[in-house]
Amino acid sequence: GQNIDQPTEMTATEGAIVQINCTYQTSGFNGLFWYQQHAGEAPTFLSYNVLDGLEEKGRFSSFLSRSKGYSYLLLKELQMKDSASYLCAVRDRRDDKIIFGKGTRLHILP
Amino acid sequence: DAGVTQSPTHLIKTRGQQVTLRCSPKSGHDTVSWYQQALGQGPQFIFQYYEEEERQRGNFPDRFSGHQFPNYSSELNVNALLLGDSALYLCASSPQGSSYEQYFGPGTRLTVT
Repeated sequence: GQNIDQPTEMTATEGAIVQINCTYQTSGFNGLFWYQQHAGEAPTFLSYNVLDGLEEKGRFSSFLSRSKGYSYLLLKELQMKDSASYLCAVRDRRDDKIIFGKGTRLHILP
Repeated sequence: DAGVTQSPTHLIKTRGQQVTLRCSPKSGHDTVSWYQQALGQGPQFIFQYYEEEERQRGNFPDRFSGHQFPNYSSELNVNALLLGDSALYLCASSPQGSSYEQYFGPGTRLTVT
């Protein structure tokens, strides 16, 4: 089976940096996704990590450690529009399913 | 290039009724996955269709069924609706039978009263 844990809520200030952690347990890991979801909208793709290390894409970076079952999403220079839920999801190598965590609701304060 | 589209946007049904939700995948995509997302939760995988067949299924009862048509569009059917079926139903499409590079549609908000 699979288990994905991430904090329920986080608060940060506009212009600051925030790190959202995700830990997972899976018997067949084949990659980790991060999605952003604004209230009432569909999730939108942010990143996909399959190898260990940091991948940077503009203000957003994602890190993966497969040996530790750990990932984080780093958001820099926070903007008010970054207020959203951030979903961590793991892809299963055995059946290609994508299993989502419950999401982290990020609140940005001015 | 149209992305993933879903219809209807919102739907209100009564317990015991049946509902059909529709999804058209992004151009060039042949694989459709359906997810249920309850308020404040992450999406839960229902099933995936590829080549008009159900390829994978999550932990959902047989009341949830689906279909994929030759043009790759898909339907999700839910019978004998329960209050707990109230959720946002998301369709995601991807290319070549893979779940990587999934694009989500805007979802259908189903309310069961």
